[in-house]
Amino acid sequence: AQKITQTQPGMFVQEKEAVTLDCTYDTSDQSYGLFWYKQPSSGEMIFLIYQGSYDEQNATEGRYSLNFQKARKSANLVISASQLGDSAMYFCAMRETLFGNEKLTFGTGTRLTIIP
Amino acid sequence: DTGVSQNPRHKITKRGQNVTFRCDPISEHNRLYWYRQTLGQGPEFLTYFQNEAQLEKSRLLSDRFSAERPKGSFSTLEIQRTEQGDSAMYLCASSPKLGRDRSNEKLFFGSGTQLSVL
Repeated sequence: AQKITQTQPGMFVQEKEAVTLDCTYDTSDQSYGLFWYKQPSSGEMIFLIYQGSYDEQNATEGRYSLNFQKARKSANLVISASQLGDSAMYFCAMRETLFGNEKLTFGTGTRLTIIP
Repeated sequence: DTGVSQNPRHKITKRGQNVTFRCDPISEHNRLYWYRQTLGQGPEFLTYFQNEAQLEKSRLLSDRFSAERPKGSFSTLEIQRTEQGDSAMYLCASSPKLGRDRSNEKLFFGSGTQLSVL
């Protein structure tokens, strides 16, 4: 079963508009972390934002915010006031904290294109 | 902070040849990860080290793959007898030592090595 599901292979958004990238996850663990990474064409994965399963507030980092709905197991990324430099692949990832599980599991990503 | 460095950036090889990639993590980071990313997919975990000890290996890591991290600093990933299916981006990441709760551990990635097997 897919641990992380990103249902939007690609999105086109007008510059300066807000955009929401969807992510749903599957886990039976009570303690886990959710991450969003950005991958520009250069290939490097850039950390954007983190949400812990026990965090009561939605995470925010500048123009990025995470819409965390625990009961629905969703962790959508919201980018406000999009910029041309936001064009990239975006990956949602999860770390479960079951003993011995050290890895991040990634979704298949969403390619975001910002239109001037 | 010089970031995670990977060499080479690109490698083209013929099927059956051996290749080796190098990763230099951020200097104070004691954990080092290797991931593989194929076109249209997210990164898939291969293996990770804590200091010089290799603590977990994915089933994706066949016996043709070997990774080392001597002295707990840089790491190498070697692929023997390469196959066309090995063509992918190989990403290295590192993370600092944290407390007991590792759920918020953030990985710092390099730019990857793009392998093409002809």
